[in-house]
Amino acid sequence: KQEVTQIPAALSVPEGENLVLNCSFTDSAIYNLQWFRQDPGKGLTSLLLIQSSQREQTSGRLNASLDKSSGRSTLYIAASQPGDSATYLCAVNKGAQKLVFGQGTRLTINP
Amino acid sequence: KAGVTQTPRYLIKTRGQQVTLSCSPISGHRSVSWYQQTPGQGLQFLFEYFSETQRNKGNFPGRFSGRQFSNSRSEMNVSTLELGDSALYLCASRVQLDTEAFFGQGTRLTVV
Repeated sequence: KQEVTQIPAALSVPEGENLVLNCSFTDSAIYNLQWFRQDPGKGLTSLLLIQSSQREQTSGRLNASLDKSSGRSTLYIAASQPGDSATYLCAVNKGAQKLVFGQGTRLTINP
Repeated sequence: KAGVTQTPRYLIKTRGQQVTLSCSPISGHRSVSWYQQTPGQGLQFLFEYFSETQRNKGNFPGRFSGRQFSNSRSEMNVSTLELGDSALYLCASRVQLDTEAFFGQGTRLTVV
């Protein structure tokens, strides 16, 4: 059974810092991994999708990496801004099965 | 291109009633999945439909049911509502079962 863990559960940093969010999964036989952000009371916004054959994916100030063999992914946020404050979730996809989500990291960027 | 649309956005129901939530996927997406989100339990998977067939199912009681129509729109129904059913219900659509998922804004259900 696939389990996904995100550590830390909460993170607070000053504006302008670079930061890394972590996601680990127990079954390395994944098809892809997706990072989302969620603002309070809202739906999930897709940030990045990494296929199992890729090592990293970039979008603006965001960079996600994937190490399938070790069961780990990281989301790097450069030059953080208050608008980046949200909960960040990772989800793994094992082909034609449900997405399995981590519990999320609640990120607060302090002005 | 329109995103995933969920209606209604907010609902207040009384214990014992039933409720139907609707999800219209992105055009061309054939997969629709449903999730329940509560502060204590996080995101819990309900079920997923692909081309009108249920492909995956979570561990929820039979009071929770769903269906998908030929135009890929999906509905989920909860019968005999309980206070614990109060949650944000999210749906997501994908082109195929292994492609990028896009979520709607959710339906906030409050059971009183």
